[in-house]
Amino acid sequence: DTGVSQDPRHKITKRGQNVTFRCDPISEHNRLYWYRQTLGQGPEFLTYFQNEAQLEKSRLLSDRFSAERPKGSFSTLEIQRTEQGDSAMYLCASSLVFGAPGETQYFGPGTRLLVL
Amino acid sequence: GQQLNQSPQSMFIQEGEDVSMNCTSSSIFNTWLWYKQDPGEGPVLLIALYKAGELTSNGRLTAQFGITRKDSFLNISASIPSDVGIYFCAGRDYKLSFGAGTTVTVRA
Repeated sequence: DTGVSQDPRHKITKRGQNVTFRCDPISEHNRLYWYRQTLGQGPEFLTYFQNEAQLEKSRLLSDRFSAERPKGSFSTLEIQRTEQGDSAMYLCASSLVFGAPGETQYFGPGTRLLVL
Repeated sequence: GQQLNQSPQSMFIQEGEDVSMNCTSSSIFNTWLWYKQDPGEGPVLLIALYKAGELTSNGRLTAQFGITRKDSFLNISASIPSDVGIYFCAGRDYKLSFGAGTTVTVRA
């Protein structure tokens, strides 16, 4: 299967701990996006990369959040000093170059985070 | 927060019925997309619309990109049990802005 993959699928942590999630995009896709989804809501944009460059960060992304895509392939999202309000589904999506006909974002299965 | 208003919030379907849902925005988008999400999974793309006024079908699904570029609708014809789930509209500039979803449930 060559879709977007995310690891882990589920994470339970205690408040104050750090967590890191990984996303592997579709292999030829050069854009990678992170979204957060809380219960009963649609996904909300957090940040995105084109190749290894992080081009935008939402104001939802506090200083405790950091994302990297070091070689333009997989990406990691780290949350430091987790808070209960960080509990959510974290979704990764990838796409080809913006503007190309047929370009769109394909989502991974998500990582569900529960902060106790 | 959400920029898109999606309605209805929820609906019950009976097998064989046609289903409609729509999405409006205060902003103009160059692309509209419709996704379906099952519990515990990521959104799966159903239909993508790239031109204002475009009407696109994918099997029993039909979607239209509003002429003002501020709205879209999705129709599901002859619904079947596996159509249950949450349907999201999304407008794209580069990032996606999502509606809050329409939850489709089978009427007993």
